[in-house]
Amino acid sequence: QQQVKQSPQSLIVQKGGISIINCAYENTAFDYFPWYQQFPGKGPALLIAIRPDVSEKKEGRFTISFNKSAKQFSLHIMDSQPGDSATYFCAASKFNTGKLIFGQGTTLQVKP
Amino acid sequence: EPEVTQTPSHQVTQMGQEVILRCVPISNHLYFYWYRQILGQKVEFLVSFYNNEISEKSEIFDDQFSVERPDGSNFTLKIRSTKLEDSAMYFCASIGASTDTQYFGPGTRLTVL
Repeated sequence: QQQVKQSPQSLIVQKGGISIINCAYENTAFDYFPWYQQFPGKGPALLIAIRPDVSEKKEGRFTISFNKSAKQFSLHIMDSQPGDSATYFCAASKFNTGKLIFGQGTTLQVKP
Repeated sequence: EPEVTQTPSHQVTQMGQEVILRCVPISNHLYFYWYRQILGQKVEFLVSFYNNEISEKSEIFDDQFSVERPDGSNFTLKIRSTKLEDSAMYFCASIGASTDTQYFGPGTRLTVL
């Protein structure tokens, strides 16, 4: 019930393409869904986050789509750039606890 | 921009030795966390700390682990008797009172030989 499942494990996209990473959760008590970006040797950094009262949130080239009934959410990276090459983790938490449950991670490679 | 800092960046120790990993959360943050990431795997929650006590801990956080906020700025994770399987990156994180954004430090790579 605490799991967050993420796919795909790895993704290769051409520069300018759209990268899509999907996550699914089980616990309906989760009410905060962030995406973190991690470069090698660095800590995870918050990219964008959403709450279940909205179905979509966009910040620049990054968009989260959220489907509450399906218990799924996804990250879309538009116009992907080589600098976006990193590992992306989805996560979920109950806001009042702050404890993040992470997905398994997706390694994104954007080819020039 | 304020950031979470962690020391050391890399710690090598012998199995059975005690290690202390140190973190300085963002000042005025109130909630503190430790996570670990075994190489190539996902980030896993270890423990959360608020108001000078543990608020939640995972199954991983057994009696070998302890956390402390010895003063107003540092937050430490102690592993009493390290095992080979404790080798991982350990991340500290913190949250302020008026935000839900959890800020992570750069991590400490712990290698147990």
